[in-house]
Amino acid sequence: GESVGLHLPTLSVQEGDNSIINCAYSNSASDYFIWYKQESGKGPQFIIDIRSNMDKRQGQRVTVLLNKTVKHLSLQIAATQPGDSAVYFCAENNDYKLSFGAGTTVTVRA
Amino acid sequence: GAGVSQSPRYKVAKRGQDVALRCDPISGHVSLFWYQQALGQGPEFLTYFQNEAQLDKSGLPSDRFFAERPEGSVSTLKIQRTQQEDSAVYLCASSSTAAGGVRSNEQFFGPGTRLTVL
Repeated sequence: GESVGLHLPTLSVQEGDNSIINCAYSNSASDYFIWYKQESGKGPQFIIDIRSNMDKRQGQRVTVLLNKTVKHLSLQIAATQPGDSAVYFCAENNDYKLSFGAGTTVTVRA
Repeated sequence: GAGVSQSPRYKVAKRGQDVALRCDPISGHVSLFWYQQALGQGPEFLTYFQNEAQLDKSGLPSDRFFAERPEGSVSTLKIQRTQQEDSAVYLCASSSTAAGGVRSNEQFFGPGTRLTVL
């Protein structure tokens, strides 16, 4: 079965607001996670990654939080823009194999 | 563009036909991966190549699926006697380093080939 999964399949957010996308994983030995963005008709695009020796990592407008105690990670997008509309996946990277969850579809309302 | 390219972008096959899907990775990338993405789902790992060597094919769903990368660059995923359950998007990804290193390297994905089996 899947080792990672997302809490909600869809998220609707007002343009300019912050978005939070959640993901739970089951394997406590997992030590490397990646968030991907997939737009319609395209392949997944790397957003940000985090290793288990960190609990927070920031990029441009994005922040990933990792809570190893409850095996949960989240992706926060600041000031969500129309171009952020896409499906977001968390993935566990086991050496080279990526194990993806089912994805959260984010829709940005103007 | 220097990204991963895949062809064809769309393929319609009648049940029982054989298909071949092509992946052109980023030039010089050592690692190449194939994933299968069913509608509404996340990608599922199929197989991994390091140069021309297929090091992991544990995700191939049946012996009807075959992948090759004979010269360590372009790869072909072949599906024989296609079935309706093979309908999916097939994604190819490449990475600049070999797996198993200290730091797993980013995988760059192509746009995928959407296969529809009628």
